[in-house]
Amino acid sequence: NAGVMQNPRHLVRRRGQEARLRCSPMKGHSHVYWYRQLPEEGLKFMVYLQKENIIDESGMPKERFSAEFPKEGPSILRIQQVVRGDSAAYFCASSPASRGGRETQYFGPGTRLLVL
Amino acid sequence: ILNVEQSPQSLHVQEGDSTNFTCSFPSSNFYALHWYRWETAKSPEALFVMTLNGDEKKKGRISATLNTKEGYSYLYIKGSQPEDSATYLCAFSDGGYQKVTFGTGTKLQVIP
Repeated sequence: NAGVMQNPRHLVRRRGQEARLRCSPMKGHSHVYWYRQLPEEGLKFMVYLQKENIIDESGMPKERFSAEFPKEGPSILRIQQVVRGDSAAYFCASSPASRGGRETQYFGPGTRLLVL
Repeated sequence: ILNVEQSPQSLHVQEGDSTNFTCSFPSSNFYALHWYRWETAKSPEALFVMTLNGDEKKKGRISATLNTKEGYSYLYIKGSQPEDSATYLCAFSDGGYQKVTFGTGTKLQVIP
């Protein structure tokens, strides 16, 4: 059973470009979470999605950031018009549906975004 | 905003020493407390999920306790080994909803 997959692992963008980060959850998992880790900081929640639904995006910046988890295919975190402050590691996690806040989240390897 | 704090922020121990660190969380509306281990250049991996006051969990040399009334959990490592070097994260849930809030972690380095 493959784990959570994220690609690309490293992404370099110039200011003003768009960044697209992909996350394929573990097989059988219908819940996806995105986290951001800024340098010298911990994991900060960004968004929680189920298939075709955004459940909680309270941690996502109001502008330039969006996320989706379509019926088919990976979850996408999209950052438009990137700025240097967006440089960070972005982690995706997935879980099955059953136990709410007691459910273990399984993390992907992360995407390291560098904005020049 | 939920306040989940971990202490110490970092520590160094000698190989063979036992150590412990703390996760503090809001004592109201407790639902679950998770511990994860995060090795450098890897992904966080789940250690324990704890749900009941007084819970104790054990996995090899690592164990954890939970006090929901006072809002803390301890993680213990017995006889630390260099491979235990990692950041240990706790994550708190205040309801059946699946979102959890992570602490900033305790970075452990075990010196051979």
